[in-house]
Amino acid sequence: DQQVKQNSPSLSVQEGRISILNCDYTNSMFDYFLWYKKYPAEGPTFLISISSIKDKNEDGRFTVFLNKSAKHLSLHIVPSQPGDSAVYFCAARNSGNTPLVFGKGTRLSVIA
Amino acid sequence: DAEITQSPRHKITETGRQVTLACHQTWNHNNMFWYRQDLGHGLRLIHYSYGVQDTNKGEVSDGYSVSRSNTEDLPLTLESAASSQTSVYFCASSEGQENSPLHFGNGTRLTVT
Repeated sequence: DQQVKQNSPSLSVQEGRISILNCDYTNSMFDYFLWYKKYPAEGPTFLISISSIKDKNEDGRFTVFLNKSAKHLSLHIVPSQPGDSAVYFCAARNSGNTPLVFGKGTRLSVIA
Repeated sequence: DAEITQSPRHKITETGRQVTLACHQTWNHNNMFWYRQDLGHGLRLIHYSYGVQDTNKGEVSDGYSVSRSNTEDLPLTLESAASSQTSVYFCASSEGQENSPLHFGNGTRLTVT
């Protein structure tokens, strides 16, 4: 049973517009959430995270929103740039030193 | 700069052969992980270790083993390679503290023929 779900395999956005990537989770014990970005032939790189005690975390053009009651988080990228074209993975973990559980990923294409 | 290195980057092997993928990190991290990435499945956890002599099974551990004899290395062994193990394998490490992010290697693409 998939605990972290990214239901959109792909997303296309025009340069300069907002990209919104969505993620749902089923495990109510998850208390820390992360987004990773992956370019072809490279490993995933950490992008931004949020703890369950917060509902928003911002870092430059990237903002993550967490809705615990809906078990939903989203990553907003504003403004989107061609270099943002990549696969984005949502990940979550329980409290403590536990392994990350990843979603299937969403491929973002930013069109110039 | 600290880094995490995987070798080889590409490997082709035959069904039934034993294969070992190397992972070496210079972050001095206690935690190390192996994931595989497959189309339609995302990243799935194979094995992980929280320190020397510690190993744990992940979601898809059947057919794989790991050993942790020092802090820097966590080799992944496929005891008898199967075509279903054709995949891209990623090693990652993190500090032992809560909420520390994973640092990934660049992956090994393994093809089992």
